[in-house]
Amino acid sequence: GQQLNQSPQSMFIQEGEDVSMNCTSSSIFNTWLWYKQDPGEGPVLLIALYKAGELTSNGRLTAQFGITRKDSFLNISASIPSDVGIYFCAGQLLNSNSGYALNFGKGTSLLVTP
Amino acid sequence: GAVVSQHPSRVICKSGTSVKIECRSLDFQATTMFWYRQFPKKSLMLMATSNEGSKATYEQGVEKDKFLINHASLTLSTLTVTSAHPEDSSFYICSAAGSDYGYTFGSGTRLTVV
Repeated sequence: GQQLNQSPQSMFIQEGEDVSMNCTSSSIFNTWLWYKQDPGEGPVLLIALYKAGELTSNGRLTAQFGITRKDSFLNISASIPSDVGIYFCAGQLLNSNSGYALNFGKGTSLLVTP
Repeated sequence: GAVVSQHPSRVICKSGTSVKIECRSLDFQATTMFWYRQFPKKSLMLMATSNEGSKATYEQGVEKDKFLINHASLTLSTLTVTSAHPEDSSFYICSAAGSDYGYTFGSGTRLTVV
């Protein structure tokens, strides 16, 4: 599948700080999704984006679907210790050979200190 | 909301034996299920896509005779790791998608082959 470039690879921040991470691709996606994964668990959907330029919020989380359809970012405001985990971006390609399977970024590991 | 149940959550087996992992959509009909493999601190790697009642589509490099996938109903897909070897040890995650629900992940199965 297509590789998504996700950055940063890891972040170590203090509680209360804002966080930003992004994903880019050389291919056009028709859907961008952001997931959080806790150790030993499956990914849990945070935000889904379906339209280019779309800006969506979910509590302290905000994500945007890039206007070129090749990128997306996720912001977390006022981080708290329970935000710790690995965040993955995922995209669904147009005309994917795998039907509409998701392609995942490599993840951003977030550590929050009290 | 959509719930996907995956079990077992952990399994230890001897080399040469087979292990079956189940993935069930509890409150929706999953027309398509996806199976992923995840190595420590790595992203999710798509192994195969299965549609109810038809043969699974495997990603390049995934041995279909080793990783048997059955999607016999709209709520159940199984992954059987045949003749398991230590290198098959990994975290396996299923995801289900239906007409009204996007991609919902199971909680994963930690397989250890000794």
